[in-house]
Amino acid sequence: QKEVEQDPGPLSVPEGAIVSLNCTYSNSAFQYFMWYRQYSRKGPELLMYTYSSGNKEDGRFTAQVDKSSKYISLFIRDSQPSDSATYLCAMSGRAGGGNKLTFGTGTQLKVEL
Amino acid sequence: SAVISQKPSRDICQRGTSLTIQCQVDSQVTMMFWYRQQPGQSLTLIATANQGSEATYESGFVIDKFPISRPNLTFSTLTVSNMSPEDSSIYLCSVEGRSVTEAFFGQGTRLTVV
Repeated sequence: QKEVEQDPGPLSVPEGAIVSLNCTYSNSAFQYFMWYRQYSRKGPELLMYTYSSGNKEDGRFTAQVDKSSKYISLFIRDSQPSDSATYLCAMSGRAGGGNKLTFGTGTQLKVEL
Repeated sequence: SAVISQKPSRDICQRGTSLTIQCQVDSQVTMMFWYRQQPGQSLTLIATANQGSEATYESGFVIDKFPISRPNLTFSTLTVSNMSPEDSSIYLCSVEGRSVTEAFFGQGTRLTVV
């Protein structure tokens, strides 16, 4: 079993839709949870991160962490064609001292006009 | 944020040869990280490179196959040695940011081995 599971998609939605992206994990030591966005032929860029359980909102993006279920989500409201990218969840059990991150496989999202 | 430049951005190589990938950062960083991103697979950490010491390799990766240099605080190289088609992948350089687990990535090197 992989430490982090993520549905690879592809996920295709119309412009303006609410998108839900999810990851499950098995390692209870994970404390830091991140979402990265990766455009084609580019490196991943950090979108959001949360520590432990709870929600975090940033504009159209909301990250949720449910540690009891070992489940994290990223919601995108009012999705735009510019949101079309691959979204990677990543997790870590420690802060600083090196970012040994464990990634999901990524979900490919396409937002269509 | 850190700006990371990787070279080459892509290459097609013959099996049995080696390719060295360069990573340049616009600021001094203690640790640099090399990842592999294979099609349909997770980003996987290959090794951590500290300046002035041997790189630390993750399980499944060995120095003979992926030798790493870290001559100063802004530069690192990863060599993919004796390549086979299974080494075809995207290789990414990364550095940690100021916040707890923020990581910055280069644009990647897309390697195809034929």
